[in-house]
Amino acid sequence: QVQLQESGPGLVKPSGTLSLTCTVSGYSIRSGYYWGWIRQPPGKGLEWIGSIYHSGSTYSSPSLKSRVTMSVDTSKNHFSLKVTSVTAADTAVYYCARSVPILGGRAFDIWGQGTMVTVSS
Amino acid sequence: DIQMTRSPSSLSASVGDRVTITCRASQSIGNYLNWYQQKPGKAPKLLIHSASTLQSGVPSRFSGSGSGTDFTLTISSLQPEDFASYCCQQSYSTPYTFGQGTKLEIK
Repeated sequence: QVQLQESGPGLVKPSGTLSLTCTVSGYSIRSGYYWGWIRQPPGKGLEWIGSIYHSGSTYSSPSLKSRVTMSVDTSKNHFSLKVTSVTAADTAVYYCARSVPILGGRAFDIWGQGTMVTVSS
Repeated sequence: DIQMTRSPSSLSASVGDRVTITCRASQSIGNYLNWYQQKPGKAPKLLIHSASTLQSGVPSRFSGSGSGTDFTLTISSLQPEDFASYCCQQSYSTPYTFGQGTKLEIK
């Protein structure tokens, strides 16, 4: 079955760069679908960060776009997220998820377990 | 951005109860509405997409309805494993936005 697993440092210093990778198993990224990043600050709701296609085409939230870079490596079957100039407000659980087309738009049907990233000196 | 507002913020109910959670969009989103269940420390799970289509493997006690700006998630007979948080998400336009979760607790 399709599984996603986030990996990356759990602690990032303020003004630094947050870097995460999502490794996909059970499905080849190059076969299709968009792949997304969503985060959840402690005790708060979910926030969509952005999504990337296997071709490398991306779209992201305007509120984060200037600080976000997404990439995909089909040879390693993983995709990645970088967020620059981080502050405490970027502290959150970061999820990767598969974004599938549905009758009405898109939905995130398979999620990674999430990884907590804390921004602190 | 399209704002998603849920109500109530929390709800206490008993096993066997019928419960309804609502989600309102700040503008019409057609049926571009998904519902997720999230348990503490776990990733969200897709329950319903396109406002009313049950995701594969989700029990039939879950149902969704609505279109335009007002949507509901109904659980017909609560089971112990249903006590969790529920949130909605619009995919009508980017940025995709989620409503805050409704926490369903045991009475």
